[in-house]
Amino acid sequence: KAGVTQTPRYLIKTRGQQVTLSCSPISGHRSVSWYQQTPGQGLQFLFEYFSETQRNKGNFPGRFSGRQFSNSRSEMNVSTLELGDSALYLCASSASPGDYGYTFGSGTRLTVV
Amino acid sequence: KQEVTQIPAALSVPEGENLVLNCSFTDSAIYNLQWFRQDPGKGLTSLLLIQSSQREQTSGRLNASLDKSSGRSTLYIAASQPGDSATYLCAVRPGSSNTGKLIFGQGTTLQVKP
Repeated sequence: KAGVTQTPRYLIKTRGQQVTLSCSPISGHRSVSWYQQTPGQGLQFLFEYFSETQRNKGNFPGRFSGRQFSNSRSEMNVSTLELGDSALYLCASSASPGDYGYTFGSGTRLTVV
Repeated sequence: KQEVTQIPAALSVPEGENLVLNCSFTDSAIYNLQWFRQDPGKGLTSLLLIQSSQREQTSGRLNASLDKSSGRSTLYIAASQPGDSATYLCAVRPGSSNTGKLIFGQGTTLQVKP
């Protein structure tokens, strides 16, 4: 079966712009979580969605937002981009929150210049 | 605040060696602990998940143990192979209920030399 699909794979944006990243979970998975990975901070939890509802949110500023659609696809948005937002953004899906079958996508590499 | 630490940060071993990766966490109130592997430029692959009530899990050449009271987990890799070269990440699910939120360590980058 198809894995978790994240688009685009690479993005270059300018400071002050906004960006939207997309995550399509494995078919049948209703839970999606987002993470930011940087060399300095490692992997940090952004948010978790289940059945279109945000269940958990990490310690990130309000510029980071997300949503989940009725087909379980999820998007995250970062407004007013800063240089420090450059990172690999990973999404993971599972049938329900915290299931063992917690599958990660390959990520979107965002570079802010 | 839960913190996860992995030691060592990097490890280089000759092929065939058995090795141990260490993970420690500061708060014993965890739901479960999971070990992942990450290849360069790729996402994470789940290796083993240990529930808070379990002591260990095994899959092939991998064995993970959990000592919740002391806040420690180890990942044992037997007869290492060059294909095992990757970054290994330990993550805990905090609290008493299942959640998609994971708290990760910084990882151990393993190089297995032929």
